[in-house]
Amino acid sequence: QKEVEQNSGPLSVPEGAIASLNCTYSDRGSQSFFWYRQYSGKSPELIMFIYSNGDKEDGRFTAQLNKASQYVSLLIRDSQPSDSATYLCAVTIPGGYNKLIFGAGTRLAVHP
Amino acid sequence: GAGVSQTPSNKVTEKGKYVELRCDPISGHTALYWYRQSLGQGPEFLIYFQGTGAADDSGLPNDRFFAVRPEGSVSTLKIQRTERGDSAVYLCASSLMGTREYNEQFFGPGTRLTVL
Repeated sequence: QKEVEQNSGPLSVPEGAIASLNCTYSDRGSQSFFWYRQYSGKSPELIMFIYSNGDKEDGRFTAQLNKASQYVSLLIRDSQPSDSATYLCAVTIPGGYNKLIFGAGTRLAVHP
Repeated sequence: GAGVSQTPSNKVTEKGKYVELRCDPISGHTALYWYRQSLGQGPEFLIYFQGTGAADDSGLPNDRFFAVRPEGSVSTLKIQRTERGDSAVYLCASSLMGTREYNEQFFGPGTRLTVL
């Protein structure tokens, strides 16, 4: 079992819709949770991070964390074509010096 | 200010050759990480430096891979006797410090290594 699992997609949504991206992780001790966006041929850039159970909102983005279910999600409201990218979920583990354990990413396509 | 820079942006080499990949982190960032990303996969951790020392090299795949950070700033990832399976994008990231508290990792543009 991979440590961080994501559906590879592509997830296709119409412009203006809500995109929902999901991620599960295997280490119950995972401490911090991150969503990175990666455009094709570019390096990852941080979108959101979350530590505590519940929701965290930042503009059009909401991260949701459920540690009991070992599940973290990212909601993108009012999706735009410029949101089309691969979204990488990453976690840190205890004693891991904050190294990031990434999932394989979900490709999101927002069509006009 | 300047972000993380990596050189070269692309490197094509032949199987069996030696390569060096350079990372220049954001000024003042003491934590430096190397990751490797294969096509269709997420980045995979290789090694972490806190200052000059490699605090965690558990991700290095074998002894052909080595990294240094002699002055606590620029880091070089060295790959000996390259193999075709080493072909990937090598990403460097830096953060203020690698402690239990959150510090955002800023990624460089990567070096695309192709081993023929």
